Amino acid sequence: QKEVEQNSGPLSVPEGAIASLNCTYSDRGSQSFFWYRQYSGKSPELIMFIYSNGDKEDGRFTAQLNKASQYVSLLIRDSQPSDSATYLCAVNEGYSTLTFGKGTMLLVSP
Amino acid sequence: GAVVSQHPSWVICKSGTSVKIECRSLDFQATTMFWYRQFPKQSLMLMATSNEGSKATYEQGVEKDKFLINHASLTLSTLTVTSAHPEDSSFYICSALSGLAGSDTQYFGPGTRLTVL
Repeated sequence: QKEVEQNSGPLSVPEGAIASLNCTYSDRGSQSFFWYRQYSGKSPELIMFIYSNGDKEDGRFTAQLNKASQYVSLLIRDSQPSDSATYLCAVNEGYSTLTFGKGTMLLVSP
Repeated sequence: GAVVSQHPSWVICKSGTSVKIECRSLDFQATTMFWYRQFPKQSLMLMATSNEGSKATYEQGVEKDKFLINHASLTLSTLTVTSAHPEDSSFYICSALSGLAGSDTQYFGPGTRLTVL
């Protein structure tokens, strides 16, 4: 059974701080990795994807991938209350099907 | 780019009726679309993978005769919940696969909230 694990949270950070969200996956053959944000009652929206080891930055977001450790993370710099949401880690194991983690709830307090 | 729409955004129906949900990729063609279901405070559950011009592939435990999927064009997939019952009440979300960003990526529609009375 292919698994994607996330801490359910909530992860609470003050406004302006760095939020660090983590994800581990079980299938060593996984090819690409995605972070989605889901507000309560809404559908997921793509934040970014990564498929090479190392860091990938997009604005306030940085995705980090370590395939040897089977670990992917998302850093959110200068966190804002509007970042409060559930963050879903998803792993593409081939044929474009994604396996989702259960998500980490992030709460950013003003 | 990579915008996906769903219609309707919410629907209330009586038990025993059928409900059709449409998923459209607005600015790209999608040979593959996916249908998910999400119950309150639970994670996304993949129901089926829909490929244009062929039969859908259903996940284990999903009744293909109850959840009919048609992907008749490169921009439209439909999910029909037949003989709906209260336990089918859920948030149904589609996604469409796009290679626009350089990697096959799923873009989600806004979802359809189904309530069966």
